[in-house]
Amino acid sequence: QSALTQPRSVSGSPGQSVTISCTGTSSDVGTYNSVSWYQHHPGKAPKLVISDVTKRPSGVPDRFSGSKSGNTASLTISGLQPEDEADYYCCSSTGTYTFIFGTGTKVTVL
Amino acid sequence: QVHLQESGPGLVKASETLSLTCTVSGGYFKSYYWSWIRQPAGKGLEWIGRIYTTGSTDYSPSLKSRVTMSVHTSKDQFSLNLSSVTAADTAVYYCAREVGAFDYWGQGIQVTVSS
Repeated sequence: QSALTQPRSVSGSPGQSVTISCTGTSSDVGTYNSVSWYQHHPGKAPKLVISDVTKRPSGVPDRFSGSKSGNTASLTISGLQPEDEADYYCCSSTGTYTFIFGTGTKVTVL
Repeated sequence: QVHLQESGPGLVKASETLSLTCTVSGGYFKSYYWSWIRQPAGKGLEWIGRIYTTGSTDYSPSLKSRVTMSVHTSKDQFSLNLSSVTAADTAVYYCAREVGAFDYWGQGIQVTVSS
């Protein structure tokens, strides 16, 4: 069971949009809608920003949005802010009642 | 507001068993899944396993042979035991509540395996 594949890094200027991809297989992302995204600032606890592919928890800014097509899920941050600079991880449930995380993407705000 | 706090030894000797406990406060312990997740330095997050408040468990296939989780509902706590540890098990260990996603997390505890 290999980690879901994410780009190592993405970057953008304040106000721009960035999209992070998360590629899995038909055994995880492609079949299940329990795809979630986490923002992780070093030294802090990860924070849930998207659940169930597209749902934004209370308190998460609406500039965060999620989508899925086939075996690939995506997180888009629109109107990038300096505080969005962090590591981002996707996560998917699998058919065997387990979870698998992505490799992680570092978002840099230029 | 749900609060999770990990506790346990920060240093474990190689070949021994790593034991951690997560204490949940703020109510809402029963009828949820509770997970352990870890992150080695410079690497990504890895899901270790989960336990329901009835004691039912699911473990990562890669760690299944060494992992045991237990729940203590009277104390609103759940625990992780990872046996036969090696340097590869050195990581920050997080506990988290799972509702299809991990919505509440502890701050994490650094565990180092020494030789």
